[in-house]
Amino acid sequence: GAVVSQHPSRVICKSGTSVKIECRSLDFQATTMFWYRQFPKKSLMLMATSNEGSKATYEQGVEKDKFLINHASLTLSTLTVTSAHPEDSSFYICSAASGGVDSGEQFFGPGTRLTVL
Amino acid sequence: DQQVKQNSPSLSVQEGRISILNCDYTNSMFDYFLWYKKYPAEGPTFLISISSIKDKNEDGRFTVFLNKSAKHLSLHIVPSQPGDSAVYFCAASPDGGSNYKLTFGKGTLLTVNP
Repeated sequence: GAVVSQHPSRVICKSGTSVKIECRSLDFQATTMFWYRQFPKKSLMLMATSNEGSKATYEQGVEKDKFLINHASLTLSTLTVTSAHPEDSSFYICSAASGGVDSGEQFFGPGTRLTVL
Repeated sequence: DQQVKQNSPSLSVQEGRISILNCDYTNSMFDYFLWYKKYPAEGPTFLISISSIKDKNEDGRFTVFLNKSAKHLSLHIVPSQPGDSAVYFCAASPDGGSNYKLTFGKGTLLTVNP
């Protein structure tokens, strides 16, 4: 089956630093990638939709200057949390779709746990 | 090796009838389970969850049943409505859900026909 990887799986950083999270589709080309934020026992919150070669579409309430998303190739999207603060501590999950956004089939990465001290 | 399995990629039911979506897991460490619903072009949305200390949780038309000994859970939707047509993801978590990490199944596409 399709595999999506995320790196790193866990990161701890100091307040004020920037953290980059990579999302890769390993065995398929992902035309669209999604970035989610997850709180314990809560729903996944879609942060943004990323299409290869174009600007990401951010959900309402998500600061685009805070969460920089780049989808430079069909197999790689990155999320950079800029000037991270403790309230940014969360679990970030990406997913990738190959058959177009409307296909309904989406493959999730294993997630990245960010802890900001 | 898939730790959360949704063996039915699709399910079709008539409006008003019951929809039953199934999920199996292999990891004994999982003790918190969630169902997500996803429409095309949208991210998954949380639907209902259940802790391993329970065997049933109900929220309106949605009921989740957990059989720990069989490592099986199911989502019942009754009565089914056309608006329920979506992909449903089963997810599992260890540590009572306090751990962020979720392991998802591959999803089941539910189609409710009018």
